[in-house]
Amino acid sequence: GQNIDQPTEMTATEGAIVQINCTYQTSGFNGLFWYQQHAGEAPTFLSYNVLDGLEEKGRFSSFLSRSKGYSYLLLKELQMKDSASYLCAVSDSNYQLIWGAGTKLIIKP
Amino acid sequence: GAVVSQHPSWVICKSGTSVKIECRSLDFQATTMFWYRQFPKQSLMLMATSNEGSKATYEQGVEKDKFLINHASLTLSTLTVTSAHPEDSSFYICSARSGSENSPLHFGNGTRLTVT
Repeated sequence: GQNIDQPTEMTATEGAIVQINCTYQTSGFNGLFWYQQHAGEAPTFLSYNVLDGLEEKGRFSSFLSRSKGYSYLLLKELQMKDSASYLCAVSDSNYQLIWGAGTKLIIKP
Repeated sequence: GAVVSQHPSWVICKSGTSVKIECRSLDFQATTMFWYRQFPKQSLMLMATSNEGSKATYEQGVEKDKFLINHASLTLSTLTVTSAHPEDSSFYICSARSGSENSPLHFGNGTRLTVT
């Protein structure tokens, strides 16, 4: 079966750095997406990785290792507004998105 | 950037009635739109894939006669929840891609449905 694993909840301090991990087992791979979802709102796109390595976009970076079936989202200089759920999703061989359950990130002052 | 508009944002209806949710791509054409449902503290669950000009493809366990999908144009898809029951209360979100199959999904703002 297809499976995406990510931690249920993480807590971090304002101004710090946090890494949210995602491991996956899917039928084929056509890329991995990270989305941010604030409570009661729809997800918004953060990043896309299809090749191994690190993609940096401002305070957010995303890493992919296809051989390990592993990705992480790195958030730097955390702000209170970063409190949200972060969803990992993998595009399988049919370009169907397989979604993780999301990681709720709590930022404390 | 690509914008998906969803309406209404929230709706309260009585058990047994039907509710229609609209999803529009405002600045691009979407031959395919995706309808998701999300229960509290759970991840997105794909309900169906809406195809312009043809029948929708429903995921296993989703009743096609209960969740009617119409995709009559390249910019509009509708989801009608028929004979709604309290257990249908959920957050419904539509999405679409503005590019290739590897391009990210753009989501509507979602519709919070409460069935009393």
